[in-house]
Amino acid sequence: TQLLEQSPQFLSIQEGENLTVYCNSSSVFSSLQWYRQEPGEGPVLLVTVVTGGEVKKLKRLTFQFGDARKDSSLHITAAQTGDTGLYLCAGATPNTGNQFYFGTGTSLTVIP
Amino acid sequence: EAQVTQNPRYLITVTGKKLTVTCSQNMNHEYMSWYRQDPGLGLRQIYYSMNVEVTDKGDVPEGYKVSRKEKRNFPLILESPSPNQTSLYFCASSPLRTGKGEKLFFGSGTQLSVL
Repeated sequence: TQLLEQSPQFLSIQEGENLTVYCNSSSVFSSLQWYRQEPGEGPVLLVTVVTGGEVKKLKRLTFQFGDARKDSSLHITAAQTGDTGLYLCAGATPNTGNQFYFGTGTSLTVIP
Repeated sequence: EAQVTQNPRYLITVTGKKLTVTCSQNMNHEYMSWYRQDPGLGLRQIYYSMNVEVTDKGDVPEGYKVSRKEKRNFPLILESPSPNQTSLYFCASSPLRTGKGEKLFFGSGTQLSVL
């Protein structure tokens, strides 16, 4: 069951550019998280959003939870090479025992 | 240091030869879970455990077994591995799941190849 679809699947941009990654579903989530995974490592949590319409900022990263709690976006301003990695969204829904379901992932490469 | 430890990091085996991947956490977390990661499919849950002696199937449990005899350990067992189980495996733990955003702590992964 693929509850969460991420787009784009791959993204390659120049350092300094802005980008947005999307996470979409037909399900309503009680909370949604974004993780970043670097090669050879496990995912690391970036942020959790729980309220519809919520916006959180983490330095150059801006996360938004959709009003209906079915989708989310991650916007990176002035990308740096250190932002390179796999970005994963994960949503929890009471219908699935509050298990977190992961999206398909967006592989970001920032070129110097 | 708070961490989830998986072993081994890399494993090459042959079809049908039983293997176990160990996972241990030192954070006293109630919840533990196993995922496999395949290109284009993201992370898919294999099994999870809400506490000692409590385990449940995830999305892709076929061909896998788990046990939770102690709070800190959650081994993944492949009784008769097949080539379609070649994948990158992750163990994760968190405080008890309430759906309100508990942080998942991941191990560094086990790359398994079944020949």
